Amino acid sequence: AQSVTQLDSHVSVSEGTPVLLRCNYSSSYSPSLFWYVQHPNKGLQLLLKYTSAATLVKGINGFEAEFKKSETSFHLTKPSAHMSDAAEYFCVVRGMNYGGSQGNLIFGKGTKLSVKP
Amino acid sequence: ETGVTQSPTHLIKTRGQQVTLRCSSQSGHNTVSWYQQALGQGPQFIFQYYREEENGRGNFPPRFSGLQFPNYSSELNVNALELDDSALYLCASSLAGVYEQYFGPGTRLTVT
Repeated sequence: AQSVTQLDSHVSVSEGTPVLLRCNYSSSYSPSLFWYVQHPNKGLQLLLKYTSAATLVKGINGFEAEFKKSETSFHLTKPSAHMSDAAEYFCVVRGMNYGGSQGNLIFGKGTKLSVKP
Repeated sequence: ETGVTQSPTHLIKTRGQQVTLRCSSQSGHNTVSWYQQALGQGPQFIFQYYREEENGRGNFPPRFSGLQFPNYSSELNVNALELDDSALYLCASSLAGVYEQYFGPGTRLTVT
C-alpha cells in the first residue's frame, strides 16, 4: 500500500532563509510523488511532480524536490523563503490505478509553513 | 483554458438532509475525483469517475454517491447527512495518461 508521512506539522522560517519540508513515502511499486500547496481558503495547487524521470524535480515559485529511493524521501526545498510562501503544503503519492483511470491521490497530513518578516 | 470549477462555494445543511455538489472539469479532462478535507487534515479520496462510471472508491459509505456526465462534469451526492460530513469537498480533474490532478476551489459544507 502507498502512504506518505510528513515529518513536521509546522515549520517556521524567516524571510530570505531556506525552506525544508520533509516527506517520507512508502510504496509497493515505483511511486509517482507530488507536492501541492494550499493557501488559506483556496484550493490545492500543484507545485511539482516526480514520475520516475529526473530525481531532482523543479517546480513553480522556485521550489524543488529530490527523490531519494535509498532513503524513501521526497523533501521539498526552496533557497529563499518569501512571505507569499506561507501556506499549507501536502506531500502526495499516487494510489492504485483503476482500469484506465489515473488512480487516487494519497495525501500526507500537511505541513504548515510560516514565514516571519 | 478554463480550470476546474465547483458550485456552490458554501453550503449549510441540517443533519439528515441530502446535498448535491457540482464540479466542471478542466477542458479535455475525462477523469474526475472527489476528496473530503476535514478541518486541519489532508484531503481523503472519496471516489473517481472515468468514462461516466465509478472507477475506484475510498473508505466512504454508500450514502456518498456520484455521477459523471458525457461532458465530464460531475456531481457528488451525500444522503442522510451527519455532523462529521462537515468539511471542504474538493473536485479534481485529470487527463488520461497524465498523472497529476488539478483541483477546484472546493465547496465548504457545514452540517448543523
